[in-house]
Amino acid sequence: NAGVTQTPKFQVLKTGQSMTLQCAQDMNHEYMSWYRQDPGMGLRLIHYSVGAGITDQGEVPNGYNVSRSTTEDFPLRLLSAAPSQTSVYFCASNPGQVTFNYGYTFGSGTRLTVV
Amino acid sequence: DQQVKQNSPSLSVQEGRISILNCDYTNSMFDYFLWYKKYPAEGPTFLISISSIKDKNEDGRFTVFLNKSAKHLSLHIVPSQPGDSAVYFCAASAFGSSNTGKLIFGQGTTLQVKP
Repeated sequence: NAGVTQTPKFQVLKTGQSMTLQCAQDMNHEYMSWYRQDPGMGLRLIHYSVGAGITDQGEVPNGYNVSRSTTEDFPLRLLSAAPSQTSVYFCASNPGQVTFNYGYTFGSGTRLTVV
Repeated sequence: DQQVKQNSPSLSVQEGRISILNCDYTNSMFDYFLWYKKYPAEGPTFLISISSIKDKNEDGRFTVFLNKSAKHLSLHIVPSQPGDSAVYFCAASAFGSSNTGKLIFGQGTTLQVKP
């Protein structure tokens, strides 16, 4: 049981390049989300999904696209990378039925640098 | 507009003493609150949660208190241990009312527990 798997772990991009951050979970979770972590800003929600075929914008969606064609996968696409997108990106998943002592499970993160 | 705020960027306590981490929120629709712990180079891990129908939840050394009228919650760690040194994030959601799966985080508080 791998949980939430993010690839790659590290990436350097040039300004204007595009790339996709991969996220996969093997827990059959309905909910998945993408966050970015920046110093002093905490974790900010980029996009989230409550099931295959359903996505919605979070707090900071500009410059990012997502799709959810399967329950397992939730890729995050950077269309034209900018230095402001230098950050650590986390993917997370949740069963979709919140119980009292459960929360989102996070991946280990992708550290992205845009030069 | 920051809906979840952790106004103390850092906290330092002595081993064995109590650590109190605070969190404020502005959205009255939030009905589910979680605390996460994060070590460097790792993803956040779920620590404890509380729903808005409760005012307290305990799990071992960790207790979360919720004051709905003040829109304030706190995490108490007793006794604090050096291994508790990490960044703690408060998060909130309107799962019960909207079932969106949208989880909003605060900026985080870095806790240092000194031996």
